[in-house]
Amino acid sequence: EAGVAQSPRYKIIEKRQSVAFWCNPISGHATLYWYQQILGQGPKLLIQFQNNGVVDDSQLPKDRFSAERLKGVDSTLKIQPAKLEDSAVYLCASSRTGITEAFFGQGTRLTVV
Amino acid sequence: EDQVTQSPEALRLQEGESSSLNCSYTVSGLRGLFWYRQDPGKGPEFLFTLYSAGEEKEKERLKATLTKKESFLHITAPKPEDSATYLCAVQGNNRKLIWGLGTSLAVNP
Repeated sequence: EAGVAQSPRYKIIEKRQSVAFWCNPISGHATLYWYQQILGQGPKLLIQFQNNGVVDDSQLPKDRFSAERLKGVDSTLKIQPAKLEDSAVYLCASSRTGITEAFFGQGTRLTVV
Repeated sequence: EDQVTQSPEALRLQEGESSSLNCSYTVSGLRGLFWYRQDPGKGPEFLFTLYSAGEEKEKERLKATLTKKESFLHITAPKPEDSATYLCAVQGNNRKLIWGLGTSLAVNP
């Protein structure tokens, strides 16, 4: 069974630029998560989708971050404009439902300079 | 307020020296407690789900146990390849996952 796919693996951008991350979840998984992880900390949930509807985006900085999940499968997370404090690893995860274990992709390491 | 605290923050063991990692939690109506392993530069890797007090699960040298207030991840005769950060997360009635900060484990040969 293929795992969660994310791209790119690494990205370096200047502050105020925009960036987008892509995620393809495990086939058949209805729930998709985007997390932000800063070095030495646990993952912080940015947004949770159930199929193509948003379940929780309470910690998403909506003035600069946006996410969509078209057709309930792939998802993209965008940051515009980026700030220095957005430097982190962005993890995508999926689960069969919202109450079962989640499986993570490799993550995208973003560096904002 | 739902909360997860992991201890110790860091642990260094000699190969073969068994130990335990702790995950203390406060949550309204536990739906599940999850253990993950994370290697540097990679996403967390799922290990175990525990649903109710008294439940235990094992995988190779790892054994996870659960009480009403905490979970332990026991590592028996660890090897250098067990070196990683171990993360604990809990899900309560509101279905939100609350994550701990993790325990960084180093096993010396």
